[in-house]
Amino acid sequence: EAGVTQFPSHSVIEKGQTVTLRCDPISGHDNLYWYRRVMGKEIKFLLHFVKESKQDESGMPNNRFLAERTGGTYSTLKVQPAELEDSGVYFCASSRVTSSTEQFFGPGTRLTVL
Amino acid sequence: GNSVTQMEGPVTLSEEAFLTINCTYTATGYPSLFWYVQYPGEGLQLLLKATKADDKGSNKGFEATYRKETTSFHLEKGSVQVSDSAVYFCALIQANQAGTALIFGKGTTLSVSS
Repeated sequence: EAGVTQFPSHSVIEKGQTVTLRCDPISGHDNLYWYRRVMGKEIKFLLHFVKESKQDESGMPNNRFLAERTGGTYSTLKVQPAELEDSGVYFCASSRVTSSTEQFFGPGTRLTVL
Repeated sequence: GNSVTQMEGPVTLSEEAFLTINCTYTATGYPSLFWYVQYPGEGLQLLLKATKADDKGSNKGFEATYRKETTSFHLEKGSVQVSDSAVYFCALIQANQAGTALIFGKGTTLSVSS
């Protein structure tokens, strides 16, 4: 089966601009997670969808970040307006059921804000 | 709160050398423990896991044992190869909350030369 895919692989934008990241989970996986790794630091949880509902968004850093998963398939993460500290690698992961401890990760989107 | 601490890198080894990457954790209860690996240009892949004390996870010649008494999950391999060059992340999920976020360490970069 196809793995988790993310688009774009790399985005370079100016401070104040808007960027939208996309994640396509493995087909049939109800659970979708967003994580972020800022340079040299831990990979940190942002939020968790179960189908189209936000199960946990406690990791979202502020209201400049908006995640959606309309229809319970792919998800988007929009940053508006982007700030310098938003630079990092954004990972998406999915799992089939909520009780599964194994999450399958995509390759990540590297975001650079200048 | 829950946290994971792993040794700082980079770790540079010659082929066939012995590898240890230390990982300790702080958590309430009995978390599940994981090692993820990120090869260049790829997403995170689950390398191995252990779900209870004294369990040993193993895969591709790598091993890690869940030590509750020392709250550790050190990664070892007896003879590394150039193809093992990657970033290794130790992580946990809090027990009985399998649908929630992975908590990661900062990652350790391993570079193996021939």
